[in-house]
Amino acid sequence: QKEVEQNSGPLSVPEGAIASLNCTYSDRVSQSFFWYRQYSGKSPELIMSIYSNGDKEDGRFTAQLNKASQYVSLLIRDSQPSDSATYLCAVNLYSGSARQLTFGSGTQLTVLP
Amino acid sequence: DGGITQSPKYLFRKEGQNVTLSCEQNLNHDAMYWYRQDPGQGLRLIYYSQIVNDFQKGDIAEGYSVSREKKESFPLTVTSAQKNPTAFYLCASSDTAKGGNQPQHFGDGTRLSIL
Repeated sequence: QKEVEQNSGPLSVPEGAIASLNCTYSDRVSQSFFWYRQYSGKSPELIMSIYSNGDKEDGRFTAQLNKASQYVSLLIRDSQPSDSATYLCAVNLYSGSARQLTFGSGTQLTVLP
Repeated sequence: DGGITQSPKYLFRKEGQNVTLSCEQNLNHDAMYWYRQDPGQGLRLIYYSQIVNDFQKGDIAEGYSVSREKKESFPLTVTSAQKNPTAFYLCASSDTAKGGNQPQHFGDGTRLSIL
C-alpha cells in the first residue's frame, strides 16, 4: 500500500463546477497535511495547509480532514480554466525514525471552458 | 524578496560527467531537501538536511551526493554513477524552528538531460 494515495485522474470538470480531489494516507498519527498545485513544467506551489479535523476555507479552496478515516480532500469551487494543473497531497509521515513530508503522485485536473 | 533560487534552469550532462545543481535560500530555514520528479510522477526524496554540516539519505540517494556547509546553500551533485539522471530536480526548504509540522517551499527547479 502506498503511504499517500491519490486518484491519478485525469479529472475533468466544466468551468464553474466544483472539483473534488481526494487523498488517503497510512499513518494514523499524522498531524500536518498540505495541498500543492503544480502547473505543467513548473514547481509545486503550496495552496492549503490543514492540521485539525474539519474544514478549512481559503477563497475558492476548501480543505477537509478526517483523521479517523485517514482522509484529506480539496474542493475547488467555481473552477476556472486557470485551475488546470496537477494537485499534490503531502502528509507528514514517519519514515524510519523521523517524520518526513511524503507526497502523493498527484491528480491531474482539467477545467473545460 | 525571500525565496529559494535554483540554478541553472536547464542542464545537460555528458556521459561519465558529474554535474552540480545549485540551491540557495534566504528564508533562514534550517531544513533543506532535494527531490527528483520524472514525467507524470510524484516527488521522490534524494537527500535532506536538518542543520548545517549534517544530511541524510532519502529514498533514492544512490548516484547523488550533497553538502551543507552553509545554512543558505545545499548543492546536489549528480555523479556518473547515476545512470538515468534525466529528470526535473526540485530543491525545497522548511522552517523547522517553528516545529516539525511546517510545509516545504520549492525553488523553480532544474531540468537535467543527458547529451
